[in-house]
Amino acid sequence: GAVVSQHPSRVICKSGTSVKIECRSLDFQATTMFWYRQFPKQSLMLMATSNEGSKATYEQGVEKDKFLINHASLTLSTLTVTSAHPEDSSFYICSARGAGKEKLFFGSGTQLSVL
Amino acid sequence: KNQVEQSPQSLIILEGKNCTLQCNYTVSPFSNLRWYKQDTGRGPVSLTIMTFSENTKSNGRYTATLDADTKQSSLHITASQLSDSASYICVVSANRDDKIIFGKGTRLHILP
Repeated sequence: GAVVSQHPSRVICKSGTSVKIECRSLDFQATTMFWYRQFPKQSLMLMATSNEGSKATYEQGVEKDKFLINHASLTLSTLTVTSAHPEDSSFYICSARGAGKEKLFFGSGTQLSVL
Repeated sequence: KNQVEQSPQSLIILEGKNCTLQCNYTVSPFSNLRWYKQDTGRGPVSLTIMTFSENTKSNGRYTATLDADTKQSSLHITASQLSDSASYICVVSANRDDKIIFGKGTRLHILP
């Protein structure tokens, strides 16, 4: 069964609205969570890395004020796309890693479409 | 610079045939190497994970090999099925800075 749950799987929103995506580790404590975006037929692109209880580290070119990441507990991280625009339409995926660093599991992804 | 290179970029084979995907890396110091399968519109699913001391690991029809000396890994798929059509991603973790480096993936198409 899935060990990382990501919701929603698909969301359609109007331009200018904010969208929150949740990522939960189901049977292990995720000390680190990663957020990626992926365009069609492209590889995963890391957006940010977050450790529980601390601020996320964003990759170069990713706006931290636009993509708000919260990792308030060892089982939950959220990504909020603020004031979404059509160019933010993409497939967003989270992954979670345990303290032992052996476990690295991915969520099932969220397809965001901004109209 | 830590890099993971996968080849081929894409591959088309007939159902029932075998194939081998390659992954070369320059990540150092090496921690582990993972192979994932990603279906279109879904998140990656783990196939295998290997550490420095492991040479081969199997998961059903998937067999991964690792040569830590030459920094090469391969994923062999036996008796391919239509459901094997997906992207296969090689992911290498570094010990020192905890980085996880992704390959760009190999897109595999199985034809009936």
